[in-house]
Amino acid sequence: DIQLTQSPSFLSASVGDRVTITCRASQGISSYLAWYQQKPGKAPKLLIYAASTLQSGVPSRFSGSGSGTEFTLTISSLQPEDFATYYCQQLNSYPVTFGPGTKVDIK
Amino acid sequence: EVQLLESGGGLVQPGGSLRLSCAASGFTFSSYGIGWVRQAPGKGLEWVSTVSGSGGSTYYADSVKGRFTISRDNSKNTVYLQMNSLRAEDTAVYYCAKKARAAGNFDSWGQGTLVTVSS
Repeated sequence: DIQLTQSPSFLSASVGDRVTITCRASQGISSYLAWYQQKPGKAPKLLIYAASTLQSGVPSRFSGSGSGTEFTLTISSLQPEDFATYYCQQLNSYPVTFGPGTKVDIK
Repeated sequence: EVQLLESGGGLVQPGGSLRLSCAASGFTFSSYGIGWVRQAPGKGLEWVSTVSGSGGSTYYADSVKGRFTISRDNSKNTVYLQMNSLRAEDTAVYYCAKKARAAGNFDSWGQGTLVTVSS
């Protein structure tokens, strides 16, 4: 099974900050990676798919990059509504796996 | 507008069974795979199972293989998750999600249904 790790697991930041979250896969997954945002009590929301493609309706301050085993999610200027937990997901092969999550909190 | 609505959650004793349903609308149902993802209280996301658009292909996490069965009725635009031999560790919010055809990610999600396994 392909394992995903995320760093950091917790991030404290201020509105306007540039934030970068890293996701690493235990083996190469090409660009079969997605990023989701989840707020408390809500379903996850797709942000990025195919490692770097922005889902329709998602603000352009979100971007994704990477391929193979290392990927990043960047929020160029953190907004109040961006405080949430972020998960990466690999879709290269079954079983599908999620990273453990990165919680972005207000400094 | 894509809508996914889960139902069937509730309290069940260890060893018991439950069937979850996911009713879909707003897209050509039979053209898309549907998956189930769960989230235990205070924990992260765990993929559970996926069924192809035709229903001919099914996939399961090792943690539920042999106990859970995913199926779909394309005439009713509904996916089911039959859960048998339930354990305390199956306690979670269960989400159904629509699978994007090309990249395979989940692009639309339901609101979730809570399953609690406890005596």
